[in-house]
Amino acid sequence: DIQVTQSPSSLAASVGDNVTISCRASRSLSSYLNWYQQTPGEAPKLLIYASATLHTGVPSRFSGRGSGIDFTLTISGLQPEDFATYYCQQSHSTPNTFGQGTKLEIK
Amino acid sequence: QVQLQQSGPGLVEPSQTLSLTCAISGDSVSSNSAAWNWIRQSPSRGLEWLGRAYYRSEWFYDYAESVKGRITFNSDTSKNHFSLQLNSVTPADTAVYYCAKGREKRYNWFVTWGQGTLVTVSS
Repeated sequence: DIQVTQSPSSLAASVGDNVTISCRASRSLSSYLNWYQQTPGEAPKLLIYASATLHTGVPSRFSGRGSGIDFTLTISGLQPEDFATYYCQQSHSTPNTFGQGTKLEIK
Repeated sequence: QVQLQQSGPGLVEPSQTLSLTCAISGDSVSSNSAAWNWIRQSPSRGLEWLGRAYYRSEWFYDYAESVKGRITFNSDTSKNHFSLQLNSVTPADTAVYYCAKGREKRYNWFVTWGQGTLVTVSS
């Protein structure tokens, strides 16, 4: 199975900050790495797919990049609604696997 | 707009079968472009993909090795829903279970999710 490792596991930031979350895979994913946002009690929501494509309706302050084994999710100008937990997921191979999550908290 | 509505019991006894259903609106379970996934989430295991089913003139199934042999997916085109059965459950199967719409091959990102069902395995 492909392992995906996210870092950091938690992050404290302020409204207006720029933050970056990383995901590293145990082998190449090409560009098949996707990002989700989850708030407590809710299902995850797709933010970015295929490394860098913004899902419909997702604000442009979210961006993704990377290929191979290293990927990043950047949020530029944090908004109050962005404080949540973020997950990466690889869809390159089955079983699809998720990172362990990054909890973004208010500083 | 696609919506997924889950149903099923929230409590299952050990060694019994966990059964959940995901009703689809705004799409077809036999769509030639969709795959229907089950995913679960627990504090100990995080988000865990259980498998997917998709129809391309016939049904195809991918199951995670962690549950292979215990898991079955079914679909009902008349009711436009798909279902999960997980046999011989143990407390380790306690989790929030989600259905989600994705696609086949490497395009399996989850664009739509069900609301989640907390299933507790306990006597």
